Order: sequence, then structure tokens, then C-alpha cells
Amino acid sequence: DIQMTQSPSSLSASVGDRVTITCRANQGIGNSLAWFQQKPGKGPKSLIYAASSLQGGVPSKFSGSGSGTDFTLTISNLQPEDFAIYYCQQYKSYPLTFGGGTKVEIK
Amino acid sequence: EVQLVESGGGLVQPGGSLRLSCAVSGFTFSDHYMDWVRQAPGKGLEWVGRSRNRANIYSTEYAASVRGRFTISRDDSTNSLYLHMDSLKTEDTAVYYCTRINMGAYCIDYWGQGTLVTVSS
Repeated sequence: DIQMTQSPSSLSASVGDRVTITCRANQGIGNSLAWFQQKPGKGPKSLIYAASSLQGGVPSKFSGSGSGTDFTLTISNLQPEDFAIYYCQQYKSYPLTFGGGTKVEIK
Repeated sequence: EVQLVESGGGLVQPGGSLRLSCAVSGFTFSDHYMDWVRQAPGKGLEWVGRSRNRANIYSTEYAASVRGRFTISRDDSTNSLYLHMDSLKTEDTAVYYCTRINMGAYCIDYWGQGTLVTVSS
């Protein structure tokens, strides 16, 4: 199985900040990497696929990069609605696997 | 508008069975792969399995943790996806999400709101 490791597991940031979350695969996955956002008590929302492509309707403040084993999600100009848990997922091979999540909290 | 609405969750005893349903609308269900993903209370996301479309003979994939106990099926005539769960264990307690697969990138693009399954005596 491909193991996905996210860092940090949590971070504190202020409104207006730019934050970066890292996701690392223990073997190469090309660009088969997606990012999801989950707010408390809600189902996840898809943000990014193919490492850097925005899902429809997702604002350009979210951006993704990387390929192979190392990936990043960057959120610019943090707003109150962006405070949530973010997950990465590889879909290169079965079983599909998620990172452990990164909680973005208000400082 | 794409909608995925899960139902069928509830309390079940260890060793019991339960069937979850996902009613979909807003897209051509028969064209899409569909996945189930679960989330134990306070924990992260875990992929459960996949149903491929008719063009791929409705074949399925499963996580090792559920293989042999869970079965994914679908009814294209009623736009419904199912997750039949047998031999349930306490560790299967989770919110179960129905998800749609983007057929260009073969990744999740839409999620349902989830249905809670509690396995407890």
C-alpha cells in the first residue's frame, strides 16, 4: 500500500496569512494526488486533482503543486471560512489512501 | 446540480448486517465510477471501495479491511449505489460517504453528506 504522510498535523494562522501543507508519498505516484477540505460536522469537499488542477468552483486562492512523491497545498489570504481540516489522497493505485489530515486553526 | 444522498445508517450489533444506499441525481450515473469512503469518529478518511461503470462490467475494488465482508452494488435504472455490510465489527463504526469519480482524472469530485453507522452491543 502507498502511505501518505501530511505535515504538519496542525497549524495556527491568522486571517490574511498564506499557509502551505505538505503531503509525501512513500513511493512515486506521478501527479495522481487530490486535496480535500472538511469543515466540522460536514462532508469533505474536493479542492484539487491531478496535483495542481482546481475542481470546478474552487477559488484560485487554493493552489497545488508537486509530482512523484512530494506535494504541497497552498492557501493564500486565509479567511475565516478556510479554517478546516485538509486531506490529501493518492489515486495512483489500490488501495486508494489518504493522508492523516492537517487541521488549520485560527491563531 | 450533482447530489449524492446517503441513507440506511443506524445502530447494529457486532456480527450484524446493514445496507447503505446512495441516491444520486444531476448527472448520468451509469457513466461514472463511484466510491465509498468512511470516517471513524474523530479520525481521518478511509477509502472503502469502488464500483466501476457498466462499460467496465460493474467491477469492484475493496480495501483489505472490508474485503469479503462488504459488497458494493449499483442499480443504474434507479440511479442508486449500495454498500452491503456483513459481519460488522465495532471498528466499522463510522460515517460512510458516497462519492462520485471524475471520469477524466479518475478521482473523487463530489461527496455526499454521509450516514452514520454505529456497531455496538
